[in-house]
Amino acid sequence: AQSVAQPEDQVNVAEGNPLTVKCTYSVSGNPYLFWYVQYPNRGLQFLLKYITGDNLVKGSYGFEAEFNKSQTSFHLKKPSALVSDSALYFCAVRDDNYGQNFVFGPGTRLSVLP
Amino acid sequence: DTGVSQNPRHKITKRGQNVTFRCDPISEHNRLYWYRQTLGQGPEFLTYFQNEAQLEKSRLLSDRFSAERPKGSFSTLEIQRTEQGDSAMYLCASSPDGQVNSPLHFGNGTRLTVT
Repeated sequence: AQSVAQPEDQVNVAEGNPLTVKCTYSVSGNPYLFWYVQYPNRGLQFLLKYITGDNLVKGSYGFEAEFNKSQTSFHLKKPSALVSDSALYFCAVRDDNYGQNFVFGPGTRLSVLP
Repeated sequence: DTGVSQNPRHKITKRGQNVTFRCDPISEHNRLYWYRQTLGQGPEFLTYFQNEAQLEKSRLLSDRFSAERPKGSFSTLEIQRTEQGDSAMYLCASSPDGQVNSPLHFGNGTRLTVT
């Protein structure tokens, strides 16, 4: 079965500094990996996805993510954090052996301090 | 593209009452999903539809829960005889097709509080 771990409940970073939000996954087939962001009392917004090809994926709002197959990781990164990036971030995986279900991680709360 | 719309945004009900939520997906999206999210957790899959057909249900979806998508457009999620443990955010999402690389587009959710 699929699973996703986000080892950090909370990440704090100063504005202007680089940020990383970690994600590791477990699948039996080929992984399809996604990052979403959630602002208070809102639904999840899609940021980026990894399907195949380049291990560095670029997405919305200056975010990017690095796929590492040997470490089964898909960490979210941004070179320079903004206060407005403060939100809840979810990593999700889909496994082509398990049909249509997205499995989400527990989320990481990012706080960017001015 | 007006986005996924969910109504109501908030629902407070007493234990034992029935509630119904509505989701209007992005037009022409043939896949529609329901998820449940509790505080501090990621969304948990409940069920999904391909057009009007309900193709998969999670074990989380007890027999008190029923979902429909009668004409392949909007969907409703009904919870009968609500319990306090049903308190959560109920999220609806849609996608244009069944391709595994298609992301989900989420609505803003319906927050249910059972007192």
